[in-house]
Amino acid sequence: DQQVKQNSPSLSVQEGRISILNCDYTNSMFDYFLWYKKYPAEGPTFLISISSIKDKNEDGRFTVFLNKSAKHLSLHIVPSQPGDSAVYFCAASEETSGSRLTFGEGTQLTVNP
Amino acid sequence: GAGVSQSPRYKVAKRGQDVALRCDPISGHVSLFWYQQALGQGPEFLTYFQNEAQLDKSGLPSDRFFAERPEGSVSTLKIQRTQQEDSAVYLCASSLVLAEAFFGQGTRLTVV
Repeated sequence: DQQVKQNSPSLSVQEGRISILNCDYTNSMFDYFLWYKKYPAEGPTFLISISSIKDKNEDGRFTVFLNKSAKHLSLHIVPSQPGDSAVYFCAASEETSGSRLTFGEGTQLTVNP
Repeated sequence: GAGVSQSPRYKVAKRGQDVALRCDPISGHVSLFWYQQALGQGPEFLTYFQNEAQLDKSGLPSDRFFAERPEGSVSTLKIQRTQQEDSAVYLCASSLVLAEAFFGQGTRLTVV
């Protein structure tokens, strides 16, 4: 069973506009959520995270929103830049698991100049 | 080094061959994880160490997979009698306890 789902395999956005990547989860025990970015032939790179006690976390151009009742989170990138083109993975963990991560399938973001 | 280092970067193995994949975590990171990433999928958890103790190996797909971290630093993932379905990228990650994990570049294993 897929506990973390990213339903959009790909997203294409114009440079300067907003990119919104979505993620849904089913396990109510998840209490920590992360977004990773991955370029080809490289490992995932940590981008931003949010604890379940918050509903928003912002870091520069990146903002993550968490809706616990809907078991949904989203990553907003504003403004989008061509260098943001990569695969974005949503991940979740239970604090008691020692930070073991459950990943979604990923969304390929392409930002067009 | 500053980041997580994995070797080799690429490995081609004949079916039935044993392989060993190495991970050098970030110095001082207590936690170490192994993940398997199939083509077009997200990474899937294999096993987790806290220092030298293997606290969770529930993600290892079969008893052909074995991981160790004898001195609480470098870790080795061993796959015995490789099969074609073992072909994947194997990612190692390290972290301080209860913090975001930092990933290595991965080892791409191809079993022919």
